[in-house]
Amino acid sequence: EPEVTQTPSHQVTQMGQEVILRCVPISNHLYFYWYRQILGQKVEFLVSFYNNEISEKSEIFDDQFSVERPDGSNFTLKIRSTKLEDSAMYFCASSQGDTQYFGPGTRLTVL
Amino acid sequence: GENVEQHPSTLSVQEGDSAVIKCTYSDSASNYFPWYKQELGKRPQLIIDIRSNVGEKKDQRIAVTLNKTAKHFSLHITETQPEDSAVYFCAASSPPNDYKLSFGAGTTVTVRA
Repeated sequence: EPEVTQTPSHQVTQMGQEVILRCVPISNHLYFYWYRQILGQKVEFLVSFYNNEISEKSEIFDDQFSVERPDGSNFTLKIRSTKLEDSAMYFCASSQGDTQYFGPGTRLTVL
Repeated sequence: GENVEQHPSTLSVQEGDSAVIKCTYSDSASNYFPWYKQELGKRPQLIIDIRSNVGEKKDQRIAVTLNKTAKHFSLHITETQPEDSAVYFCAASSPPNDYKLSFGAGTTVTVRA
């Protein structure tokens, strides 16, 4: 059964550095999402992407964040200048419609 | 925006007993309600979902009920087993207008052997 994959599984970075989190959605899916989960808290929506553009973003998704689908398979989340509070698990998800399938996550630690 | 409340935050049950988790939502436009199971350090795994055109759905030991009028939905796990121990999240969305999922805070279920 196809699954969403994410790399790296764990990323450690210094405050102020740029990070790129990568995702490979399920191949025939049309909608792509990023969510984050701060340790012990609920999963929070960041952004959704459809037809090569952002369809919706939350208030968390400020100018420091960007998403891109650079080719037919990858979907990336870039954080331009990381802050301590960006430390979280970042999940990519994809869907054909309403049912979303999540990747294994990237644990981002900002020091 | 949508606000999903989930209760209880923790639930401990004896193996073989039933577990019930309840969620309420605020946006009457929400029409899709999935439940995810998340084991420690793993991805949220979809276990069951329900759409607003049905009131109940069952899959083996797992069932979900939806009350649109009261804006609440519940997850029922019967004959619990140790492998049911995990964090369970409810969520809501309103496709096709809005696919983003709004999650509840999660319920940590512990099944005692």
